[in-house]
Amino acid sequence: GAVVSQHPSRVICKSGTSVKIECRSLDFQATTMFWYRQFPKQSLMLMATSNEGSKATYEQGVEKDKFLINHASLTLSTLTVTSAHPEDSSFYICSASGDSKNIQYFGAGTRLSVL
Amino acid sequence: AQKITQTQPGMFVQEKEAVTLDCTYDTSDPSYGLFWYKQPSSGEMIFLIYQGSYDQQNATEGRYSLNFQKARKSANLVISASQLGDSAMYFCAMINTGRRALTFGSGTRLQVQP
Repeated sequence: GAVVSQHPSRVICKSGTSVKIECRSLDFQATTMFWYRQFPKQSLMLMATSNEGSKATYEQGVEKDKFLINHASLTLSTLTVTSAHPEDSSFYICSASGDSKNIQYFGAGTRLSVL
Repeated sequence: AQKITQTQPGMFVQEKEAVTLDCTYDTSDPSYGLFWYKQPSSGEMIFLIYQGSYDQQNATEGRYSLNFQKARKSANLVISASQLGDSAMYFCAMINTGRRALTFGSGTRLQVQP
């Protein structure tokens, strides 16, 4: 149980385009979903926290107009990187939690390369 | 503010031996949870083990056990009988009642040698 699916796993796009990443909890209802960014050889940095049906809470320094997060249902959250630039190239990974221990289960991550 | 410290950037262990990965934490919240995740080269984060701050016993999950020493604010991960497939990055993380997002340590890269 506790499977989180994230798509796509890899995306290469041109500068200026938008990219949407989906995160789905397959076998549980996720009251909260989280989006992280990870640079090479570094730890995960939280970008935003989203609760179903409400606006996401962004961490300091994260541009909410740049990284649009939608959490329309208890099983789906999306992250859209708008007008992507090369500096947005990174590994993006989502997680979902729904139990009393707040254990977060992670998707497989999306490697974004902006040319 | 809460903080997680992993002081071992890299560790080597022989196959079939046990290894301890260190983790210390800092928080002023009396209620918190501690987690260990494994990240293989594929990138996914795999949940290994959880310890609640009020749990009386150390958590165990198969070959993984968490050596929780509350007074010392440490939550070391012990992997018994290491396997080649255990080679990966290992992250210690914490959550508290005021912040549901995880705070991660910098990670430890474990390499299991045959």
